[in-house]
Amino acid sequence: AQSVTQPDIHITVSEGASLELRCNYSYGATPYLFWYVQSPGQGLQLLLKYFSGDTLVQGIKGFEAEFKRSQSSFNLRKPSVHWSDAAEYFCAVGAKAAGNKLTFGGGTRVLVKP
Amino acid sequence: NAGVTQTPKFRILKIGQSMTLQCTQDMNHNYMYWYRQDPGMGLKLIYYSVGAGITDKGEVPNGYNVSRSTTEDFPLRLELAAPSQTSVYFCASTATGTSGSGTQYFGPGTRLTVL
Repeated sequence: AQSVTQPDIHITVSEGASLELRCNYSYGATPYLFWYVQSPGQGLQLLLKYFSGDTLVQGIKGFEAEFKRSQSSFNLRKPSVHWSDAAEYFCAVGAKAAGNKLTFGGGTRVLVKP
Repeated sequence: NAGVTQTPKFRILKIGQSMTLQCTQDMNHNYMYWYRQDPGMGLKLIYYSVGAGITDKGEVPNGYNVSRSTTEDFPLRLELAAPSQTSVYFCASTATGTSGSGTQYFGPGTRLTVL
C-alpha cells in the first residue's frame, strides 16, 4: 500500500526567507507525486506535480520540488517566502494503476513571520 | 467551466439523521472521489468512482454510501449520522489517460458537524 509522510507538522519562517517542506513516500511502482496547498477554509489547489522526466519540477507561485527516487522523497522548496504563502501544504502520491487514487500526507502548516 | 462544485457548504446534523452531500463536475472527468479531512489531518479517501455505474471503497467507507448514475454527479450519502462523521468533505475529479495524468481537481468542501 502506498503511504506518504510529512515529518514536519508546523514550520515557521520569516518573510523573505527560504522554505523547504519534506515529503517521503512509499510506493512499489513509479509514483505520480503532487503538492497541494490549502488556505484556511478553502479547498485544495495544485502547486505542482511529477509524472516522469526531469526530476526538478516547477510549479505555481514560485514553488519547485525535486523527486529523488533513491531517497523516496519529493521535497517542496521556495527561495523567498511571502506572507501569502501561509497555508497548509499536502504532499500526495498516486498511480494510474490504482484508479488514480491519491494518498495524502498529514500536511505541514506554514506560518510566516513579518 | 465551474470545475467541481459541492453543496451544501455547511451543515449541522443531529445524531441519527441522514443527508446527501452533492458533488458535480463539468469537466467530463471519468474518475471522481470523496475525501474527508478531520481537523489537523490529511485527507482520507472514502469512496471513488471510475465511471458511471462503477464505485469502489476507499480507506474509510464505513457509514457512507455513494452512487454514480451520470458522469457529472457523485453524491455521498450519510445514513445514520454519528459525531465521528464531523469533518470537512471534499469531492474531487480527474480525467483518465495520459492527457489527464492523474491530477485531481477539488471542490471547495462541505463542513459537516454532527451533534
